[in-house]
Amino acid sequence: SAVISQKPSRDICQRGTSLTIQCQVDSQVTMMFWYRQQPGQSLTLIATANQGSEATYESGFVIDKFPISRPNLTFSTLTVSNMSPEDSSIYLCSVEVGGTDTQYFGPGTRLTVL
Amino acid sequence: QKEVEQDPGPLSVPEGAIVSLNCTYSNSAFQYFMWYRQYSRKGPELLMYTYSSGNKEDGRFTAQVDKSSKYISLFIRDSQPSDSATYLCAMSAGNNRKLIWGLGTSLAVNP
Repeated sequence: SAVISQKPSRDICQRGTSLTIQCQVDSQVTMMFWYRQQPGQSLTLIATANQGSEATYESGFVIDKFPISRPNLTFSTLTVSNMSPEDSSIYLCSVEVGGTDTQYFGPGTRLTVL
Repeated sequence: QKEVEQDPGPLSVPEGAIVSLNCTYSNSAFQYFMWYRQYSRKGPELLMYTYSSGNKEDGRFTAQVDKSSKYISLFIRDSQPSDSATYLCAMSAGNNRKLIWGLGTSLAVNP
């Protein structure tokens, strides 16, 4: 398994601003993932972030809106840019461990955009 | 048709009941099957992981996979109020392919 922390745990932001969410893992991992979970909904994958390569974005998500950095094997950031109220959601990072496709999740960042 | 179907509930049971949670899927390539538990305002927590068909037991929890019917189940015995959470199924075809998620079933265990 892996222990994952996220910062901030929650934030309230104004429309048009940007927020960077940090994800820290207690061990080196190859694959990290960023998800969005809107109220009452399941998880929607935003992108996969592998160290040393560009993030791979899912349909409906673009790099200009959700730039991702992955500077090393234990850390990643997701920026939510030019925010609107529709971006209000929980943002979760996860890591894949053991080559079995199982993922371990951070506690999430609860974002509210006014 | 979604690749993974899961009844969102809510499901309400008395303490001590046996709970059965289910997901169906359409992609016969899925090989890895997981159940996650998510408490309110928390990230999902891996509960059970099964590769291919069969049963797996861990304490009060049993995960069951029937690939012929494309159906997976999670059974909770002697349910406790602390089991009240949303349970999400997830599955993948392996080879680092992404997880496909169910909607999650909201469970309330009443004392």
